[in-house]
Amino acid sequence: QVQLVQSGAEVKKPGASVKVSCEASGYRFTDYYIHWVRQAPGQGLEWMGFINPSRGSTSYAQKFKGRITMTRDTSTSTVYLEVSSLRSEDTVMYYCARGNWGPHMDVWGKGTTVTVSS
Amino acid sequence: QSVLTQPPSASGAPGQRVTISCSGSSSNIGNNPVIWYQQLPGTAPKLLMYNYSQRPSGVPDRFSGSKSGTSASLAISGLQSEDEADYFCAAWDDSLDGVVFGGGTKLSVL
Repeated sequence: QVQLVQSGAEVKKPGASVKVSCEASGYRFTDYYIHWVRQAPGQGLEWMGFINPSRGSTSYAQKFKGRITMTRDTSTSTVYLEVSSLRSEDTVMYYCARGNWGPHMDVWGKGTTVTVSS
Repeated sequence: QSVLTQPPSASGAPGQRVTISCSGSSSNIGNNPVIWYQQLPGTAPKLLMYNYSQRPSGVPDRFSGSKSGTSASLAISGLQSEDEADYFCAAWDDSLDGVVFGGGTKLSVL
């Protein structure tokens, strides 16, 4: 079946970087975009951007430009999200989701918790 | 402050009908399809409605969507306890060149 499997929880210090992975299976990896969406505890959803696994092209939300990098490895059907210069506000759940260029995301990973704490 | 505006909470008794609104602008809802997601407690969001009123396979027809101008609505009829969840609307925003979400509506089934 179609699924997105995310890497495990991370604990990082302020100023550090984190790299979260999202492995796709059950469909042709290059046929769908992968979005990253984050959610602070008890808060709403925040779109971070997407990557087109076919071309490797990306689109980032203005808020995160310069601080995030999305990459992909087609040999393992895995997408990566790297967030640098971590601060306490980055203590959130990060979700990857399969979709198109727009907001239509039909399969979601279970999420990866990142805790930023000194 | 979310670009799309939703009421923070909604409620209804089992069997009743409840509507959740999502207000935007001409750069998002007014010009692009609206998506609705359902997030049950402790789980990832799930696609509930797309292109304003299309339901993915497996979503009961108790859920329906509509749009008028720069606002969209999600209606749930025949409320059931399993409908207790957070509901989020989303759309592409042409000005921001990205996806925008509503702040979410917490639905309680009394």
